[in-house]
Amino acid sequence: DTEVTQTPKHLVMGMTNKKSLKCEQHMGHRAMYWYKQKAKKPPELMFVYSYEKLSINESVPSRFSPECPNSSLLNLHLHALQPEDSALYLCASSQGVNADTDTQYFGPGTRLTVL
Amino acid sequence: KQEVTQIPAALSVPEGENLVLNCSFTDSAIYNLQWFRQDPGKGLTSLLLIQSSQREQTSGRLNASLDKSSGRSTLYIAASQPGDSATYLCAVRPPLNEKLVFGKGTKLTVNP
Repeated sequence: DTEVTQTPKHLVMGMTNKKSLKCEQHMGHRAMYWYKQKAKKPPELMFVYSYEKLSINESVPSRFSPECPNSSLLNLHLHALQPEDSALYLCASSQGVNADTDTQYFGPGTRLTVL
Repeated sequence: KQEVTQIPAALSVPEGENLVLNCSFTDSAIYNLQWFRQDPGKGLTSLLLIQSSQREQTSGRLNASLDKSSGRSTLYIAASQPGDSATYLCAVRPPLNEKLVFGKGTKLTVNP
C-alpha cells in the first residue's frame, strides 16, 4: 500500500480563521513533507520532517506551523493566512533511509482557498 | 544551484503514437531522478525513479533513461492512450539534501 491520505480535500477559510491540514501514511516511512503548489507551477517544498524532527524549513512564514505528532501523522496549522496563500497543499512521505532509492509518495492534496 | 528544465512545455499527439519527454538538469551531482504524473487538481503519482548509478528504468509502457554526465533524462511513452493525458514532472534529488528540485512539467494531451 503506497497511500498517503490528506484531509480535508477542500478548505475555505477567512483571514482570521485557524484551521489545520492533516496527512497520514502507514507505510512506515520516516520522512514526511509539506509542499505548496500554485496553478500551473511545480510543487514548492515548505517543510521536511525526518524521524519526527523538523529538518528543513524553507523560510516559510510563521502563519504556517507544522507538527509531526508521530511517525504516521503530519499536520499543518494555519493562522491569519492571506489570499495569496490559496493553493493546493500536498503532503508526501518517503522511507528516508537510503537517499539513492528514496521515492516520495504524494497524497491527493488539500485545495485551500483564503477569502 | 541546481535547475531543472523540461521541454516541451506542452505536447499534443494522436492516440497510439510513441513519444518522448525531455528533462535536463544543470548539476550532474544527484542522488536520483524521479518522474511524476499529475492530473489536474490532484496529487503527484510517482512513475519511475532512476538512481544516479542507473541508466534506465522501465514500467509497463514507460521507459526512463538517465545520462548523468550530460544532465539529461528522457521519459519514453509507448503506444500513447488518452488516459496518459496529464502533466509530467521530473525532479532531481541533490546530494545531502532531502529537497527535490522540480522542473515546470510537460502537459501532455493524447487525442482519441
